[in-house]
Amino acid sequence: ELKVEQNPLFLSMQEGKNYTIYCNYSTTSDRLYWYRQDPGKSLESLFVLLSNGAVKQEGRLMASLDTKARLSTLHITAAVHDLSATYFCAVDMVNNDMRFGAGTRLTVKP
Amino acid sequence: DTEVTQTPKHLVMGMTNKKSLKCEQHMGHRAMYWYKQKAKKPPELMFVYSYEKLSINESVPSRFSPECPNSSLLNLHLHALQPEDSALYLCASSQTGTVYEQYFGPGTRLTVT
Repeated sequence: ELKVEQNPLFLSMQEGKNYTIYCNYSTTSDRLYWYRQDPGKSLESLFVLLSNGAVKQEGRLMASLDTKARLSTLHITAAVHDLSATYFCAVDMVNNDMRFGAGTRLTVKP
Repeated sequence: DTEVTQTPKHLVMGMTNKKSLKCEQHMGHRAMYWYKQKAKKPPELMFVYSYEKLSINESVPSRFSPECPNSSLLNLHLHALQPEDSALYLCASSQTGTVYEQYFGPGTRLTVT
């Protein structure tokens, strides 16, 4: 059975600092997604990573995928308060079967 | 239009009630999904429809009954629910093929009393 593990599960950062969230998965897949969820809200798609070595950046967030290591990272640069949210990685199995990690609850403090 | 809409936003129902959740998208997506999300947990996949046919049923109890009347609409019929079924129910849609980026609706917050 596919397992998707994120760490850390909770992350408290100071504004201006850098940090990385990790997403490990247990089966072969070359499609990985990152989502953001604000409290009480739905999920917002951040990144779609479709191949080994894929790297995508948007603002202060950068995501990468290493399919051989079955690892994706979400790097936060110079965090700001607006980035406070829960971040989920999700791995695409076959036939549209999507499995989510447990989520990383990020709090950015001034 | 990259929007997935869901109605109602909130629903309170008794354990003997029958109700339905509705989801609609007009992005031409041919895959639609139902997820259940409990507080502080990740979304759990319930059902997937691909080209209006049920392709994945993640061992969901029969008190949840999905329906896909056409390529734009997805329903979830609810009957004889239990209090533990209270959760946020999310609908999503995506293209089929090699890119499955999902677009999520705002969700229906369901409370079973």
